[in-house]
Amino acid sequence: AQSVAQPEDQVNVAEGNPLTVKCTYSVSGNPYLFWYVQYPNRGLQFLLKYITGDNLVKGSYGFEAEFNKSQTSFHLKKPSALVSDSALYFCAVRVTGGGNKLTFGTGTQLKVEL
Amino acid sequence: DTGVSQDPRHKITKRGQNVTFRCDPISEHNRLYWYRQTLGQGPEFLTYFQNEAQLEKSRLLSDRFSAERPKGSFSTLEIQRTEQGDSAMYLCASSSWIATMNTEAFFGQGTRLTVV
Repeated sequence: AQSVAQPEDQVNVAEGNPLTVKCTYSVSGNPYLFWYVQYPNRGLQFLLKYITGDNLVKGSYGFEAEFNKSQTSFHLKKPSALVSDSALYFCAVRVTGGGNKLTFGTGTQLKVEL
Repeated sequence: DTGVSQDPRHKITKRGQNVTFRCDPISEHNRLYWYRQTLGQGPEFLTYFQNEAQLEKSRLLSDRFSAERPKGSFSTLEIQRTEQGDSAMYLCASSSWIATMNTEAFFGQGTRLTVV
């Protein structure tokens, strides 16, 4: 079975500071990893994905994520946070050859303050 | 708008009634997924289609739930004899399966169901 853990329910950062949203995963095969963002009363918007190759993945709106196989982590980062980044962030995993469903974490609420 | 479209956006129904939701995927996408999201949780997989074939169903999809994608385009999700525990956001997503590679899934804005 595959699973995703997002250990922080909420992350608070000041605008202009770097942000990190943590994600760890557990799978029995090779993982495909994803980050999605959800604004209030909206669906999920795709931010970035790791399939293979370079461990540092760049995505939308200046976000990036680093795949670390030894630590089974895929943390989301941004060098300089904006108030408009405040939203709910979900990490998800899909296993190659193991079906096509995404398994999501419980989400991390990011709050960026002035 | 060429994104995933879901209708209705909100539905309030009385316990015991049947409800049906519609999803229109991105036109060139051959895979369509249904997820359910409850407050404070991440989306949970319900089922998915490749073209018109329903290829996988979660154990969450009880006998009261049925999904169809009759022509490989839009899909419907029906819940019969709704229960208060069915109250949730129902999300539809679509993706392309090309040459053994699956693109990322793009989500619609969801249908929020409230059972009273």
